Amino acid sequence: DAGVIQSPRHEVTEMGQEVTLRCKPISGHDYLFWYRQTMMRGLELLIYFNNNVPIDDSGMPEDRFSAKMPNASFSTLKIQPSEPRDSAVYFCASRTRDGGHGYTFGSGTRLTVV
Amino acid sequence: AQKVTQAQTEISVVEKEDVTLDCVYETRDTTYYLFWYKQPPSGELVFLIRRNSFDEQNEISGRYSWNFQKSTSSFNFTITASQVVDSAVYFCALRGAGGTSYGKLTFGQGTILTVHP
Repeated sequence: DAGVIQSPRHEVTEMGQEVTLRCKPISGHDYLFWYRQTMMRGLELLIYFNNNVPIDDSGMPEDRFSAKMPNASFSTLKIQPSEPRDSAVYFCASRTRDGGHGYTFGSGTRLTVV
Repeated sequence: AQKVTQAQTEISVVEKEDVTLDCVYETRDTTYYLFWYKQPPSGELVFLIRRNSFDEQNEISGRYSWNFQKSTSSFNFTITASQVVDSAVYFCALRGAGGTSYGKLTFGQGTILTVHP
């Protein structure tokens, strides 16, 4: 299995631009999570999906952030418009229903907004 | 609300020393799951272990061992005979099994471990 695949690995964009981060979970995993990692706030859960349905988006910081999961093999996290304080590493993770083998994380997308 | 506290921000040891990383958690759930993850300098998050709240048996995997004590809400991680390759940030995490905490993996702030040759 290729694991959780995220793209791009690095993204540098100008303030005000739209940014789209992509994630392909492990096949057969029922849950998908988006996390953000910063020095100040550590690892924060932004949103998670179960069977493609958003379950909890209470961690999404503002209306500028949105996430979708149109099918079981693809999810996006969009920031529009982006701001410098959005600079962080964004991780996608997936797990099976019982989570027996833990959450498998992707390699992350390092976003820099200048 | 769930909370995970890793009081040690940074630990520095010399190779071959044993080191213990502390983790204390808070949850109202009667069933929950505890995890440890490793984040090496390359940045990925690597799953190390999952422990169920109803299983307090300690676990050993090679040089790694975990001590789960429900009475003190602690889930400590010990590396025996540390090696330079163990240098990383280590995260303790908690997931509840009911209500709004279901599915959410809450992380501690992490402990930076540096092993010197």
